[in-house]
Amino acid sequence: EVQLVQSGAEVKKPGESLKISCKGSGYSFTSYWIAWVRQMPGKGLEWMGIIYPGDSDTRYSPSFQGQVAISADKSISTAYLQWSSLKASDTAMYYCATSYSSPNNWFDPWGQGTLVTVSS
Amino acid sequence: QSVLTQPPSASGTPGQRVSISCSGSSSNIGSNTVNWYQQLPGTAPKLLIYSNNQRPSGVPDRFSGSRSGTSASLAISGLQSEDEADYYCAAWDDSLNGHWVFGGGTKVTVL
Repeated sequence: EVQLVQSGAEVKKPGESLKISCKGSGYSFTSYWIAWVRQMPGKGLEWMGIIYPGDSDTRYSPSFQGQVAISADKSISTAYLQWSSLKASDTAMYYCATSYSSPNNWFDPWGQGTLVTVSS
Repeated sequence: QSVLTQPPSASGTPGQRVSISCSGSSSNIGSNTVNWYQQLPGTAPKLLIYSNNQRPSGVPDRFSGSRSGTSASLAISGLQSEDEADYYCAAWDDSLNGHWVFGGGTKVTVL
């Protein structure tokens, strides 16, 4: 069974850095793209970017380019989403999801989500 | 403001048919397939329909999808209480080197 398990909830202060993770299991990690999706409180889904762990090919949404960094470590089947300086507006639930073979295929399955709270 | 436009809400009584529209443009729905995701309260989104009208294994056949031109729609026939959720359409957009776009989501309420 293809499964994504995300790291736990985080509470951070503005200006701090953060790296959250998404570990894949039950499939060939290097054959699936992994996307990151943001959901702000009470709002809809926003695609942030996607990475192919096989060769680290990474694409970003124009809205998130330069704001976050997406990476992957195929040796431990884990993808990451990273901020160097958090803002209060980064408070949201973040989901990872897999896309087989191509960045423009559907997302299935999704991780359970990581809640990030940024507050002074 | 989402790139894909969905109505914010839809509702129906048990057993009724509910339809949700998703309007886009030539660079997304007009040239790429549409996927639909269901998000039950407090849970992660789940793939409901892919490639316009395909149901993943385990999704009841009362969920159906279609696409025409730059619009798509999701229909739920025989509405059930457990269908109360948020529904999102999504499509790949060929502009700006390619990126995914989502609809703003439609909250379906079972009356």
